[in-house]
Amino acid sequence: AQSVSQHNHHVILSEAASLELGCNYSYGGTVNLFWYVQYPGQHLQLLLKYFSGDPLVKGIKGFEAEFIKSKFSFNLRKPSVQWSDTAEYFCAGTFNFGNEKLTFGTGTRLTIIP
Amino acid sequence: SQTIHQWPATLVQPVGSPLSLECTVEGTSNPNLYWYRQAAGRGLQLLFYSVGIGQISSEVPQNLSASRPQDRQFILSSKKLLLSDSGFYLCAWSVLGGNEQYFGPGTRLTVT
Repeated sequence: AQSVSQHNHHVILSEAASLELGCNYSYGGTVNLFWYVQYPGQHLQLLLKYFSGDPLVKGIKGFEAEFIKSKFSFNLRKPSVQWSDTAEYFCAGTFNFGNEKLTFGTGTRLTIIP
Repeated sequence: SQTIHQWPATLVQPVGSPLSLECTVEGTSNPNLYWYRQAAGRGLQLLFYSVGIGQISSEVPQNLSASRPQDRQFILSSKKLLLSDSGFYLCAWSVLGGNEQYFGPGTRLTVT
């Protein structure tokens, strides 16, 4: 069965540090991949998405992610984090063309220390 | 613009009591609708999705059911709650045929 895994459960960084959160998926066919973020007390919202084309996608608030098909990965990056990036981050995917059901990873809690 | 509402925001219910959580979407027609649950320390699990009025697909066997009585209304129910039903319930919608989903604020359910 298709799955999405996030191995970092809780990441703690200082402000201005670089960030990389891991996401791997298990599926050999067509995938669409997403990163969602949930700031404290707010709705889950979309950070960025990959459907096709350039494997390096840029999202809101300076985040980017790179789709590496050979590694089944879609890691999230940000060169310099801010305290306001403290949140929970979820990687998700849809598998097969026309399949609209999202499969989520377990999430990574990111804590930024001022 | 489109908005999605969920209520109540929080709910504490005893074991064995019934449940009804409501989700409504404004500003769009014929959306796909979804119910997810986020249990403590776990990711979001898709419970139900609907592509139209009265059309419900269940993703996992459980103590819950869903209904879609109107185009933009999605209801999550249970006749008798279990302790394991505690969690954070999220409703989401997407454009028919679209991949991007938009989430509501969620309902935190505690079953005691």
